[in-house]
Amino acid sequence: QVQLVESGGGVVQPGGSLRLSCAASGFTFSSYGMHWVRQAPGKGLEWVAFIRYDGGNKDYVDSVKGRFTISRDNSKKMLFLQMTSLRAEDTAVYYCAKGSHYFHSWGQGMLVTVSS
Amino acid sequence: EIVLTQSPGTLSLSPGERATLSCRASQTISVSNLAWYQQKPGQAPRLLIYAASSRATGIPDRFSGSGSGTDFTLTIDRLESEDFAVYYCQHYGGSPFTFGPGTKVDIK
Repeated sequence: QVQLVESGGGVVQPGGSLRLSCAASGFTFSSYGMHWVRQAPGKGLEWVAFIRYDGGNKDYVDSVKGRFTISRDNSKKMLFLQMTSLRAEDTAVYYCAKGSHYFHSWGQGMLVTVSS
Repeated sequence: EIVLTQSPGTLSLSPGERATLSCRASQTISVSNLAWYQQKPGQAPRLLIYAASSRATGIPDRFSGSGSGTDFTLTIDRLESEDFAVYYCQHYGGSPFTFGPGTKVDIK
């Protein structure tokens, strides 16, 4: 069965950097687009970034453009989100999700807290 | 950017009743590009419906989706205890992949 397991979250100071990872199993990772979606405490869902199955196309929500970078390693079935210049408003649970369009499956989420 | 509005914000119902949730888009979207998710406290969202009316694998048939153009509906027939949760609609026709603000279905 599909499994997505995020790691790399934690507490970081404003202006700092963090790299999230998502380990995939149970499906042909290299055949699917992947996303990052976040949810601020007590708030709704916000799509953050997308990467095509082969890494050839990437897209971001405007609020993270130039600060976040999505990438993948198909040989290791891993998805990444490099986050820099972090702000308090980036505090959220970050989910990786499988699917080029709608999100078939989701990881359990990883909390990122940006605070001094 | 397509903005999705969901109503009502909260729906208070009893087990066994029918829930009707609305999702309205700021512009016409293809029925191929509308999904619904369920999220329970402390859990990741779960895909319920894609392409406006297709149930995802393993989703009970008491969940159904309908609509077209700018107006879409998620219906839950005969609410069960595990259905009390927050429901989000989502547009995935192109970037940004926007979500509605959610409708909370709670126990009356």
